[in-house]
Amino acid sequence: EAAVTQSPRSKVAVTGGKVTLSCHQTNNHDYMYWYRQDTGHGLRLIHYSYVADSTEKGDIPDGYKASRPSQENFSLILELASLSQTAVYFCASSESGGGYAEQFFGPGTRLTVL
Amino acid sequence: QQKVQQSPESLIVPEGGMASLNCTSSDRNVDYFWWYRQHSGKSPKMLMSIFSNGEKEEGRFTVHLNKASLHTSLHIRDSQPSDSALYLCAASWGSGGYKVVFGSGTRLLVSP
Repeated sequence: EAAVTQSPRSKVAVTGGKVTLSCHQTNNHDYMYWYRQDTGHGLRLIHYSYVADSTEKGDIPDGYKASRPSQENFSLILELASLSQTAVYFCASSESGGGYAEQFFGPGTRLTVL
Repeated sequence: QQKVQQSPESLIVPEGGMASLNCTSSDRNVDYFWWYRQHSGKSPKMLMSIFSNGEKEEGRFTVHLNKASLHTSLHIRDSQPSDSALYLCAASWGSGGYKVVFGSGTRLLVSP
């Protein structure tokens, strides 16, 4: 089965601080995604990538940056963390894009911004 | 912007009963519907997918799709307490590369 890992699993950050969330996959998948999950909002796409050294904006990219230095690794960066970014963040990967392929999710990172 | 609406928001069924969950897309060009299950504190895992009109069955789970009405439903028969979870419906579109949109989910509780 596909393996996606995330680190850290939880983090407490201060408002205005920088936060980096990391994701690693061993599936040899081209597509990787970052979602956030808030109560009542399901999953919302922040950024995605389909090739190393390239990232694309999702539906809610404001306040977030992404980096894909290799096929296996995908990071989400909050340059100036804000209270509204408190959420659970999931990374996912899929074999192909176009919405035709199953997405495999990591365990999630619970981020609390104080 | 494409939207996916799920109903009901929450559902309680007795053990052994039938659970029925609904999902509708706002975009007529949707290609696939997905159902993911997320147990409390865990990550979502794909349960079933469907892209053509009709019905698909896997064990106790059955998915229906009516593309004309952009509606899909998930039915769980002989519900078990282990089925208690958040069920997320997602819709995807072929054009545009990545597009998958998730609904807000239906929280199912199966009472023993």
